[in-house]
Amino acid sequence: EVQLVETGGALIQPGGSLRLSCAASGFTVSSSYMSWVRQAPGRGLEWISVLYAGGYTYYADSVKGRFTISRDDSKNTLFLQMNNLKTEDTALYFCARDVLDATDATSLGFQHWGQGTLVTVS
Amino acid sequence: SYELTQPPSLSVSPGQTARITCSADALPKLYTYWYQQKPDQAPVLIIYKDTERPSGIPERFSGSTSGTTVTLTISGVQAEDEADYYCQSSDSSGAYFFGGGTKLTVL
Repeated sequence: EVQLVETGGALIQPGGSLRLSCAASGFTVSSSYMSWVRQAPGRGLEWISVLYAGGYTYYADSVKGRFTISRDDSKNTLFLQMNNLKTEDTALYFCARDVLDATDATSLGFQHWGQGTLVTVS
Repeated sequence: SYELTQPPSLSVSPGQTARITCSADALPKLYTYWYQQKPDQAPVLIIYKDTERPSGIPERFSGSTSGTTVTLTISGVQAEDEADYYCQSSDSSGAYFFGGGTKLTVL
């Protein structure tokens, strides 16, 4: 069974740093396309970063230069290092796995999500 | 950047058909995906690659596409379908995008 468990959320002051973790089971993070998606209170979903299986990373403009996505293959865990946090970064942060079609490597969508971890910048 | 536009809200009575649109502002448009999110829950994928339905998703959920607009159709809406619905796509650079979401109210 695939499971994603996020941890690391906290109340933190503006300008501070925080590292979120997403522990995965049931599949291999290093072979997957893994993203962080956040949701501010009462707002919609916002994709913020992806780490492709080959190591390529991509960030939304809203977090570029401040957030870093990475993984620890030995722990099968995805991370999000967040620096210079702003009040507008307050959100529930989800990690999500984009499952690929084995026949043509196209996306089958974010089929697996964690329960989220709350980051409050205040 | 790529933008996906959804209506903020939609209200339907039980048994009616709900159609939620998602319009892209640029071409080429890659595949679109739909998610359902209920309060205090993680999103759930309900449509992938514009029209495909994952196993376990009821047949009343369907997707269609026309030009740069994709539509999620819920036929015979049930009370349990009340939720927020998000479309999602990606661009050729590898970035992902979500629409603003549509709150479906079942009257």
